[in-house]
Amino acid sequence: AQSVTQLDSQVPVFEEAPVELRCNYSSSVSVYLFWYVQYPNQGLQLLLKYLSGSTLVESINGFEAEFNKSQTSFHLRKPSVHISDTAEYFCAVSDRGNNDMRFGAGTRLTVKP
Amino acid sequence: EAGVAQSPRYKIIEKRQSVAFWCNPISGHATLYWYQQILGQGPKLLIQFQNNGVVDDSQLPKDRFSAERLKGVDSTLKIQPAKLEDSAVYLCASSLNYGTKETQYFGPGTRLLVL
Repeated sequence: AQSVTQLDSQVPVFEEAPVELRCNYSSSVSVYLFWYVQYPNQGLQLLLKYLSGSTLVESINGFEAEFNKSQTSFHLRKPSVHISDTAEYFCAVSDRGNNDMRFGAGTRLTVKP
Repeated sequence: EAGVAQSPRYKIIEKRQSVAFWCNPISGHATLYWYQQILGQGPKLLIQFQNNGVVDDSQLPKDRFSAERLKGVDSTLKIQPAKLEDSAVYLCASSLNYGTKETQYFGPGTRLLVL
């Protein structure tokens, strides 16, 4: 079965600094990849997803993630973070052909002024 | 558009007691999911429904957990009897159609503490 590893449990950064949240997955077949975000006191919401086509996917609030098949990674990046980006970020993977989405343990991003 | 609703938001019970959680998905969403999120871990899928039928309950501890979605809309998840290790946040999510290509919309969760 597929699995996800988020390499950093916590990432503190200063406002306007760049950030990268790392995600690696394992699977023997082709996959779909997702990043979900959970803002304080809110439910999980989809940030972006890779299904097929271009390996670089973007969100509406400036995040992007790149699917790297050879390195089995789907790292999330933002060139300049805001205080409002403080949240917990979850990477998830699903094998194509089944409906079982597996989540990583999450990375808590804290943006400091 | 109203989001996924869950109740209660918090529940404290003693071990061996029973508890039930309720979920109302987004109107028109055919697929409903229940996840368990233990502190420090990501959500783990327990069960998913397509309309009122179960499509996957392979990770549901069936000796104590049960779930139903009788009319293909609301769903309840029950634990009977509860154990200490059941302390977690229980998340309900829904999607328009079946398949992980579909975006899942999550509710706020029910935080369960078993003493």
